[in-house]
Amino acid sequence: EAGVAQSPRYKIIEKRQSVAFWCNPISGHATLYWYQQILGQGPKLLIQFQNNGVVDDSQLPKDRFSAERLKGVDSTLKIQPAKLEDSAVYLCASSLNGPGLNTEAFFGQGTRLTVV
Amino acid sequence: GNSVTQMEGPVTLSEEAFLTINCTYTATGYPSLFWYVQYPGEGLQLLLKATKADDKGSNKGFEATYRKETTSFHLEKGSVQVSDSAVYFCALTESNQGGKLIFGQGTELSVKP
Repeated sequence: EAGVAQSPRYKIIEKRQSVAFWCNPISGHATLYWYQQILGQGPKLLIQFQNNGVVDDSQLPKDRFSAERLKGVDSTLKIQPAKLEDSAVYLCASSLNGPGLNTEAFFGQGTRLTVV
Repeated sequence: GNSVTQMEGPVTLSEEAFLTINCTYTATGYPSLFWYVQYPGEGLQLLLKATKADDKGSNKGFEATYRKETTSFHLEKGSVQVSDSAVYFCALTESNQGGKLIFGQGTELSVKP
């Protein structure tokens, strides 16, 4: 079974530029998550989708971050404009979760973003 | 709100030593508890989990017991190997949170031959 795919693996941009990350979850997984992992810290949830609807985006800095999940499958996370403090690893995860059902989340390898 | 606190790293051990990584949590309800591992250059992988009090999760020689009275979920292994060198994350999720994970800050383990 293919895992969660993310691209690119690495990205270096200048501050105030824009950047986009792509995630393809495991086939059939209804729930998709984007986490931000700053160096030396644990991952923090940015946004959670159930199919193509947003379940939780309370920690997403909406003035600069946006995310969408096309047709309930692939997802894109965008930052515009980037700030130095956005340097982090962006992790995508997916799970089978449904109403009343909590199942294991599977993580991609992440995209390491460096803002200079 | 809910939170997870882990012991600070890095932890450096010799091969075959006993490992304990402490984890305590704060939660408003009855969370499920997890340990994830991140090997160098790889993504997060679920190591073990426990879904209710007194449950013991185990995998690859690692164990952790869900202790509600002390709100703890300490990770242990009797004899570590060089290949166990990684960053370990304790995490929780509540049943009404749709699977959202709250992570501790991670503990780096380095095992020397």
